[in-house]
Amino acid sequence: ELRLEESGGDLVQPGGSLRLSCKASEFSLTSYSMSWVRQAPGKRPEWLSYISRTSDTKFYADSVKGRFTVSRDNAGNTLYLQMNSLRGEDTAVYYCARENPLLITKVREVMTYYYYMDVWGGGTTVTVSS
Amino acid sequence: EIVLTQSPATLSLSPGERATLSCRASQSVSTYLAWYQQKPGQAPRLLIYDASHRATGIPDRFSGSGSGTDFTLTISSLQPEDFAVYYCQHRSNWPPLTFGGGTKVEIK
Repeated sequence: ELRLEESGGDLVQPGGSLRLSCKASEFSLTSYSMSWVRQAPGKRPEWLSYISRTSDTKFYADSVKGRFTVSRDNAGNTLYLQMNSLRGEDTAVYYCARENPLLITKVREVMTYYYYMDVWGGGTTVTVSS
Repeated sequence: EIVLTQSPATLSLSPGERATLSCRASQSVSTYLAWYQQKPGQAPRLLIYDASHRATGIPDRFSGSGSGTDFTLTISSLQPEDFAVYYCQHRSNWPPLTFGGGTKVEIK
């Protein structure tokens, strides 16, 4: 069974740091782009960050830009999210998700890939509080 | 940023009934829209991608339609395991990626 498992969530004080990990099983992380998504209690999911297969492309939501850094260790089949300068509003369950190019279009020999999050981890909880 | 608005916020239905959920985008996303199901304590689960394509293993009672700014998720006959929260998410002109506010399908 394809699986992602997050770890590293904890209770941390405002201004503190945490590093989350996401370990893939039964598939090679090398073949996929990945995203981090979080969800505060009772709220909609919030996309945080995207990293391409080779780490050459990274995107961040404005809410975490400059504070969070996404990285990956393809050999270790693991994705990371380094979170610095944590705030109360960062309290949430954090998920990693596989970005699968389920739709590919071709227009005038130009291929465009549309990614969808088809495998998700079970989440790890981050609580920022003094 | 593309804003996705889902309606209704809550849908109260009985098992066996048909559920129709709506998602409206603030600008055209073509067909680059997904639907997810989320149950309490679980991660979202991909149901539909590219507006109308069922993801692997999703029963055919789930169907999606729409393009541009207006999209619909239909559950033809609600099963007990379908009572959950449903979110739409776009994949057009990103970053950022955004999710709708969700529709809770509850047992009447």
